[in-house]
Amino acid sequence: ETGVTQSPTHLIKTRGQQVTLRCSSQSGHNTVSWYQQALGQGPQFIFQYYREEENGRGNFPPRFSGLQFPNYSSELNVNALELDDSALYLCASSSGPTLGTEAFFGQGTRLTVV
Amino acid sequence: QQQVKQSPQSLIVQKGGISIINCAYENTAFDYFPWYQQFPGKGPALLIAIRPDVSEKKEGRFTISFNKSAKQFSLHIMDSQPGDSATYFCAASKGDYKLSFGAGTTVTVRA
Repeated sequence: ETGVTQSPTHLIKTRGQQVTLRCSSQSGHNTVSWYQQALGQGPQFIFQYYREEENGRGNFPPRFSGLQFPNYSSELNVNALELDDSALYLCASSSGPTLGTEAFFGQGTRLTVV
Repeated sequence: QQQVKQSPQSLIVQKGGISIINCAYENTAFDYFPWYQQFPGKGPALLIAIRPDVSEKKEGRFTISFNKSAKQFSLHIMDSQPGDSATYFCAASKGDYKLSFGAGTTVTVRA
């Protein structure tokens, strides 16, 4: 077990809706990143937070947003859902200022947009 | 564009055999190269990682070989076991930031 938990594990949403996915990191892990993994592909970097500030972003539109809280939890919010947003969403955490040598992933949230 | 290219897409190996997965990268600024193992319905788990100042790293049955001049690195799974059947991802990052993943290799170990 990595100590990183995500909720919910599965979710079905309708196109155009908004969704919030949650992640709880290990205590002491100040860095959290979110990744999108489409079926049969490798994870793609969405963004990264360090001590509640976004410090990096991948090629995802602004309708993907996030928050990190002082209690080592974080959220990924996606507005105006599109069918192509269907994927496994993963969060990863580490203790360093960046996603360090020990990046621990959660089990993911499987989002289906219909 | 994909910054890390991984091959093969899938492979089948007999129990006790050797599985070899190859990755190539373009960005010479990358300085951290981990391998992740992922089982169905689970998140990726760090298997082994290497920095470019060494050419090989071994942990148990898993070995990373790194060729800086060729910008390639590979994972060798020795004495493959049915429990090793999973999808393996290579990745790379610069300064421990933003992992760029390969497309993955599905390994099937036949008993």
